[in-house]
Amino acid sequence: RKEVEQDPGPFNVPEGATVAFNCTYSNSASQSFFWYRQDCRKEPKLLMSVYSSGNEDGRFTAQLNRASQYISLLIRDSKLSDSATYLCAVNMGDSSYKLIFGSGTRLLVRP
Amino acid sequence: NAGVMQNPRHLVRRRGQEARLRCSPMKGHSHVYWYRQLPEEGLKFMVYLQKENIIDESGMPKERFSAEFPKEGPSILRIQQVVRGDSAAYFCASSPRATGSPEAFFGQGTRLTVV
Repeated sequence: RKEVEQDPGPFNVPEGATVAFNCTYSNSASQSFFWYRQDCRKEPKLLMSVYSSGNEDGRFTAQLNRASQYISLLIRDSKLSDSATYLCAVNMGDSSYKLIFGSGTRLLVRP
Repeated sequence: NAGVMQNPRHLVRRRGQEARLRCSPMKGHSHVYWYRQLPEEGLKFMVYLQKENIIDESGMPKERFSAEFPKEGPSILRIQQVVRGDSAAYFCASSPRATGSPEAFFGQGTRLTVV
């Protein structure tokens, strides 16, 4: 089983739709969780950190479910510019500097 | 305030040649991390360095790969005798202290193609 797993997609949605991605992690000792956005052939850029209480930034909401060991990302009112690959990353408690990435979920927002 | 700078952006090498990838961290950052991304996959940790020290190289292949971060100059990821399987995007990140948190900023990456 992979340490961090994501549905590769693609998720193909119309503009304005709400879309949600999940990401499961295997190590219950994981301490920190992040969502990154990666555009084609570019570097990943931090989108959001994921806190236990959940957090929201505009149209984006991230949640953590420790009991089931997954994090989620909800995008409301999708824009064409949201088309990208979304990577989740987990920071293992015993190696605070090392990020474990999922393979990413590809989102396509169509007009 | 320049971000993490990597060069070259694209590198083509023939099988058996050497590849040198450079990473200049953000100003004031003394911690550097290298990650590799194979096509259609996530990033995989390779090595973590501080100035003149390799802290964790658990993600580095045992042979042909080496990394350094000298007192002066950029961090270098060196791949000797490249093979087709080394073709990937190599990303470097830096941070002001040891962290896998948002304080680590990624460079634009070097895309290595082995022909």
